[in-house]
Amino acid sequence: EVQLAESGGGLVQPGGSLRLSCAASGFTFRNYWMHWVRQVPGKGLVWVSRINSDGSSTSYADSVKGRFTISRDNAKNTLYLQMNSLRAEDTALYYCARATIGSYAIDYWGQGTLVTVSS
Amino acid sequence: DIQMTQSPSYLSASVGDRVTITCRASQSISDYLNWYQQKPGKAPKLLIYVASSLQSGVPSRFSGSGSGTDFTLTISSLQPEDFATYYCQQSYSTPWTFGQGTKVEIK
Repeated sequence: EVQLAESGGGLVQPGGSLRLSCAASGFTFRNYWMHWVRQVPGKGLVWVSRINSDGSSTSYADSVKGRFTISRDNAKNTLYLQMNSLRAEDTALYYCARATIGSYAIDYWGQGTLVTVSS
Repeated sequence: DIQMTQSPSYLSASVGDRVTITCRASQSISDYLNWYQQKPGKAPKLLIYVASSLQSGVPSRFSGSGSGTDFTLTISSLQPEDFATYYCQQSYSTPWTFGQGTKVEIK
């Protein structure tokens, strides 16, 4: 069974940093592209970032470019999102998500980890 | 960035109704269009990928169509468990973008 378990969320002050982790199991992690998607409670889904299967290629939403870094450790079956210079508007539930083979959709999602940026 | 616009934003329907949700892209995305269902407090679930392919395990009452800029999600006979919010999403180019969502509620 595919499982994605996010951790690392919490309350942080504006300008602060957090690192989110996503532990993957039930599939061959190194074969799949992975994504982060966020959602303000009660609002819509917003794509944040993606990384290819070996970590050599990444892409970011303009709203986080230069502040967030996506990475992965295929030996540990873990996806990361390093978030720096956090702003109030980064407050959201952050989902770790697996792309389909061919990377044309997201077929599995974690349950999310909540990040709150507030003083 | 490619903008995705869904209509309607809100839909009230009865069990057994045929329901159609539309998604329009701001430029051609070929068939790189996916549909997701999200229930309160839950992660999204993939229903339809590349415009018309049914994800494994999804009931056949769900179907998708379209190409280019205009796409449709149809639920042929609405069931109680289908009351949820539906999102379209393009995977033609990064940044991937989602529609604003369509909330389907019980009439």
